[in-house]
Amino acid sequence: EVQLVESGGGLEKPGGSLRLSCAASGLTFSNAWMSWVRQAPGMGLEWVGRIKSKTDGGTTDYAAPVKGRFTISRDDSKNTLYLQMNSLKTEDTAVYYCTSHYCTGAGCANIDYWGQGTLVTVSS
Amino acid sequence: QTVVTQEPSLTVSPGGTVTLTCASSTGAVTSGYYPNWFQQKPGQAPRALIYSTINKHSWTPARFSGSLLGGKAALTLSGVQPEDEAEYYCLLYYGGAYVFGTGTKVTVL
Repeated sequence: EVQLVESGGGLEKPGGSLRLSCAASGLTFSNAWMSWVRQAPGMGLEWVGRIKSKTDGGTTDYAAPVKGRFTISRDDSKNTLYLQMNSLKTEDTAVYYCTSHYCTGAGCANIDYWGQGTLVTVSS
Repeated sequence: QTVVTQEPSLTVSPGGTVTLTCASSTGAVTSGYYPNWFQQKPGQAPRALIYSTINKHSWTPARFSGSLLGGKAALTLSGVQPEDEAEYYCLLYYGGAYVFGTGTKVTVL
């Protein structure tokens, strides 16, 4: 059974930093492409960014609102995904979900498993 | 900025059929956008239903089906059950970036 467990959320002031973690089990993490998705209170889902497996280059892509402020990384030896969030803004307040990608012969553009999420609140 | 638009809300009777659509501001949606569909119930994380336009995950009930319809991605619920009341989101892939749809609230009444 695939499990994705996020941690590291909490209250932070505007301009501050937080690092989220996602512990993965039940999948071959080193082969997995992973994304972070967020959901502001009462709002819809927003893709934050994705990291490919190291086999596929380990490259990252980000949504425009977080590019240059957020960094996704991975530690395959610990089966853990990270989201480093710097220069936080009040509009970054959201539940942050860790997700895994489902790969087919055509690529890894699909998302399958989701964690339960961790709440990040940015407020003075 | 790319916008992916869904119907804000739809109502369906138990046992009925309802189709949700997912439109891209860039033009017609094709299989190359790898349309995904997700279901989210209040207080829960989203759950994946459909990937690559038409494919079901192992846990997806048979009454859910995906397709392309009139230049949009579509999700059809047939034989709707009360437990299908939820918010539904589509996801489209734009070559390195992903955009979620605005979401459709499905009410079973």
